[in-house]
Amino acid sequence: NAGVMQNPRHLVRRRGQEARLRCSPMKGHSHVYWYRQLPEEGLKFMVYLQKENIIDESGMPKERFSAEFPKEGPSILRIQQVVRGDSAAYFCASSPAMNGAFFGQGTRLTVV
Amino acid sequence: GQQLNQSPQSMFIQEGEDVSMNCTSSSIFNTWLWYKQDPGEGPVLLIALYKAGELTSNGRLTAQFGITRKDSFLNISASIPSDVGIYFCAGMSFGNEKLTFGTGTRLTIIP
Repeated sequence: NAGVMQNPRHLVRRRGQEARLRCSPMKGHSHVYWYRQLPEEGLKFMVYLQKENIIDESGMPKERFSAEFPKEGPSILRIQQVVRGDSAAYFCASSPAMNGAFFGQGTRLTVV
Repeated sequence: GQQLNQSPQSMFIQEGEDVSMNCTSSSIFNTWLWYKQDPGEGPVLLIALYKAGELTSNGRLTAQFGITRKDSFLNISASIPSDVGIYFCAGMSFGNEKLTFGTGTRLTIIP
């Protein structure tokens, strides 16, 4: 059973471009979380999704950021018109619901 | 919102020593999780706790779910070099399945 797969591992974008981060949950997991982590800091919750539904997006900026988890395919975190402050590691985790969450390796976004 | 206070922030120990860290919450959790994160990697789930008072072991690691459901601790016995890293607690409650993380405990082993 493959773990949570995130791609790309590293992403470089110029200011103003769009960043698309993908997360394929573990097989059978219907819950996906996205977290952001700055160097030497903890994990900050962004959004929690179930298939085709956003359950809690209280940690996600209202502008430029969006997330989806379609019926088929990976969950996508999209950041439009990136700025330098968006540079961070973005982690996805999947869960079969209230039974622990398993993390991917993360995507390190660098905005230049 | 829910807050998790994790302590200590950092620990400097010698190889072979036992380690203890804990998390306290301002509200009740129904699930407590402990993770370890190595540099450049994602957090790895170490132990999951689902019942108040539960004591669970995973090798040299032992974690407990506090009776009040507002705290949890993690012990590591006879530390070894590969224990170095950042340990995070996380909690989840029914009706609010957002996984809330503590601030982390950085473990360093002094040669």
